Amino acid sequence: NAGVTQTPKFQVLKTGQSMTLQCAQDMNHEYMSWYRQDPGMGLRLIHYSVGAGITDQGEVPNGYNVSRSTTEDFPLRLLSAAPSQTSVYFCASSPLRLGTQYFGPGTRLTVL
Amino acid sequence: AQKVTQAQTEISVVEKEDVTLDCVYETRDTTYYLFWYKQPPSGELVFLIRRNSFDEQNEISGRYSWNFQKSTSSFNFTITASQVVDSAVYFCALSEEGGSEKLVFGKGMKLTVNP
Repeated sequence: NAGVTQTPKFQVLKTGQSMTLQCAQDMNHEYMSWYRQDPGMGLRLIHYSVGAGITDQGEVPNGYNVSRSTTEDFPLRLLSAAPSQTSVYFCASSPLRLGTQYFGPGTRLTVL
Repeated sequence: AQKVTQAQTEISVVEKEDVTLDCVYETRDTTYYLFWYKQPPSGELVFLIRRNSFDEQNEISGRYSWNFQKSTSSFNFTITASQVVDSAVYFCALSEEGGSEKLVFGKGMKLTVNP
């Protein structure tokens, strides 16, 4: 199993550009989440999904959209990038509710 | 509301020293789960342990041990005989039965083990 994969690993955007961070897992996990990690802030939940077709907001959802059309994929879309979205983004999946979340390798995003 | 506090932001020790990382949590739920993750310099997040609120037994895994005390709302992590490879940022995290899938993290504690 590849586990949780994320692409790209690095990305530089200009303010106002849009992009999609990809996340996929091959463990048939129902639960998937997106977090951002900023220096001194720990990780904060952006959006999460409890199954295909079901998504909900986390702690810091503004400026991000998600969808979950399949169990495997959970892309995160930035509609109009802002410098405040410069961060490291982690995707995670879990096999059960409140279970252990397994993280992808992260995407380092810089918005100029 | 959920909250996790890791009061220590950075610790530096010499190899073979024992080190304890503190974690204090706040929750109103009676059912909750506590986690520790390790983030080495390479950046990935490595799962270390998950403990539910009804299991207060301490746990030992090799050089790692965890002390869960509901009376003080603490879930401390001890590394015995630290090694350079233990150098990382360590995160404590909490999820609640009534908190959907939200995993709340502490701000992390950077451990540096010097040879």
